[in-house]
Amino acid sequence: AQTVTQSQPEMSVQEAETVTLSCTYDTSENNYYLFWYKQPPSRQMILVIRQEAYKQQNATENRFSVNFQKAAKSFSLKISDSQLGDTAMYFCAFSYMYSGGGADGLTFGKGTHLIIQP
Amino acid sequence: GAGVSQSPSNKVTEKGKDVELRCDPISGHTALYWYRQSLGQGLEFLIYFQGNSAPDKSGLPSDRFSAERTGGSVSTLTIQRTQQEDSAVYLCASSLGLAENTGELFFGEGSRLTVL
Repeated sequence: AQTVTQSQPEMSVQEAETVTLSCTYDTSENNYYLFWYKQPPSRQMILVIRQEAYKQQNATENRFSVNFQKAAKSFSLKISDSQLGDTAMYFCAFSYMYSGGGADGLTFGKGTHLIIQP
Repeated sequence: GAGVSQSPSNKVTEKGKDVELRCDPISGHTALYWYRQSLGQGLEFLIYFQGNSAPDKSGLPSDRFSAERTGGSVSTLTIQRTQQEDSAVYLCASSLGLAENTGELFFGEGSRLTVL
């Protein structure tokens, strides 16, 4: 089974700074998806960004970008020009591309609590 | 509906009571997941429904936990004889069917269960 590791339980940065959240994973598969989800205090998990493993180009969504290193099995999230509204739990997640769902579907890391200080 | 809807938002119950948590997925989503999130922890997979197939119950922690999905839409998670360790946020998520699946899950806001 795959595992996802987030080694930073909590991070705190000043508003407008750039912050990078780390994530590593372990799999023997070649085709998969990687995700970063954000969970604000409202509790609703929201997809921030998604990366297909077969794509070499790193995904970007406005201020959010990833550094996907397939050989190293690393998938870090960079948030540029951080804003107070970015304060949330961030979860890295893995899914096989041809997953049958269920327990073999999405695997989550334990999360990183990001605090943006004014 | 426009998004995944869960109810109740918050539930406080006494130890030993039964509780039911409801999830209404996004219309047209055939896959439905239940996860449990304990305080400060990640997401623990509980159960998965896909269309009319038999559910994947491999994540249910004990026989006090059960879930059903009626008509391929609304799902109910039932916890019988609740214990204090059941206190957590229960998240429901839905997604497209396997053929269209991009791996993305759409989550509800969760039901926070507190067992006194």
